Formats: sequence, structure tokens, C-alpha cells
Amino acid sequence: KAGVTQTPRYLIKTRGQQVTLSCSPISGHRSVSWYQQTPGQGLQFLFEYFSETQRNKGNFPGRFSGRQFSNSRSEMNVSTLELGDSALYLCASRPTPADRVEQYFGPGTRLTVT
Amino acid sequence: GDSVTQMEGPVTLSEEAFLTINCTYTATGYPSLFWYVQYPGEGLQLLLKATKADDKGSNKGFEATYRKETTSFHLEKGSVQVSDSAVYFCALSDQGFQKLVFGTGTRLLVSP
Repeated sequence: KAGVTQTPRYLIKTRGQQVTLSCSPISGHRSVSWYQQTPGQGLQFLFEYFSETQRNKGNFPGRFSGRQFSNSRSEMNVSTLELGDSALYLCASRPTPADRVEQYFGPGTRLTVT
Repeated sequence: GDSVTQMEGPVTLSEEAFLTINCTYTATGYPSLFWYVQYPGEGLQLLLKATKADDKGSNKGFEATYRKETTSFHLEKGSVQVSDSAVYFCALSDQGFQKLVFGTGTRLLVSP
């Protein structure tokens, strides 16, 4: 079974631009979560989507948004990029939010804002 | 809110040495506990987990025991290898499985 895939793997953007990152979960997994990893703040939860609905949201500004499609693929969008948005963005999937099992992580998208 | 504290790194060891990485947590109720590992340039891989008190998670020679009385989940390995060099993250998932809360990570460097 294929793992979680994220595209693109690397991205360079300029301050003020917007960016869209994509995540395809493991086949059969309907819950997708996003995390931001930075050297200063570590790993922080952004949001989780299940059945095309945002189920839970972390403490991030409204510039960070996401969505989930009927095939469970998810995208996250960051508008009006700031230098501090430079980070590794990780996507994780699990069958459903109620599953008491681990989340499976993708390789991440490395975003650099200049 | 929930939080995880793990020891600062880097931890530098020689091959075949004994490894301990300390992890303590603060949470209400009964969280599930995890250790994830991140190799350079990669995402997170689950190393082991424990879902209730006194459970012992184990994988690839690594072990950790869920200690509710000391709110700890220390990672141990009897004999490390160079290939174990990576960053290790302790994490918890609250009772409602809302999200993972991670520690700051501990970098392990193993020399031949």
C-alpha cells in the first residue's frame, strides 16, 4: 500500500505571495492532519480534515486554510506569505479521527519564503 | 494544555552504547504516547506507541514504558548503531484523539 504523498517536495516563494500544498493520504484513510515544523517552534498542529469537513484547528492565523476533497486528498493554502512561514509542512493520515491508531506521516513539503 | 518535555540534545554516543532519552508529559485524562523518529530530509516515522498505563511499546530494539505515576515515557535501547542517528520526538495524543502534541525533539548522534 502506498504511503502518504505530498507535493511539491520543495517550494520557494516570495513574501506576500500565496502557496498551495497537496497531500494524498494512504488509500482508505479519510482523516488528514497538517503540521508545521520549524526550528524555533517545533512541530505544531495546524488542522485536521475528515469527510471534507475541518474537524479541529490549531492556533494559527486565518492566513492558513485547508480543504479536503471527496477522494480524501487535502490541500492547505497559505496566503500573504511571511518570512516566518518558512517551514517543513507535514501531512498525516489515519482511517478516521476515532481510530486509536498512529498517524502516518508523509515526507513533507519544504517551503522557503524569501 | 497538554504538553511534552523531552531532554535537550544532541545526545552523542559510541556504537553499542546504551541509550536513554527522557520524556515526561502533562495531560488530563489518559493520553496515548508515541515516539517518532525523523531521519535527515524525511518525514516522521512511528517508532513505538503505548495506549494505556504500564503498556510497553517496542520496535527495532527500542523500548518505552507508559508510567502514569511519574508521567513519563522514556525511550531506551540496549545497543545503538550508527544507523540510529536521527531526531527522536516524544508525542502524546489526548483522550479525544484530537491531535498530536510533540516534544521539541532530541538529536542522537552515534559514532563508529
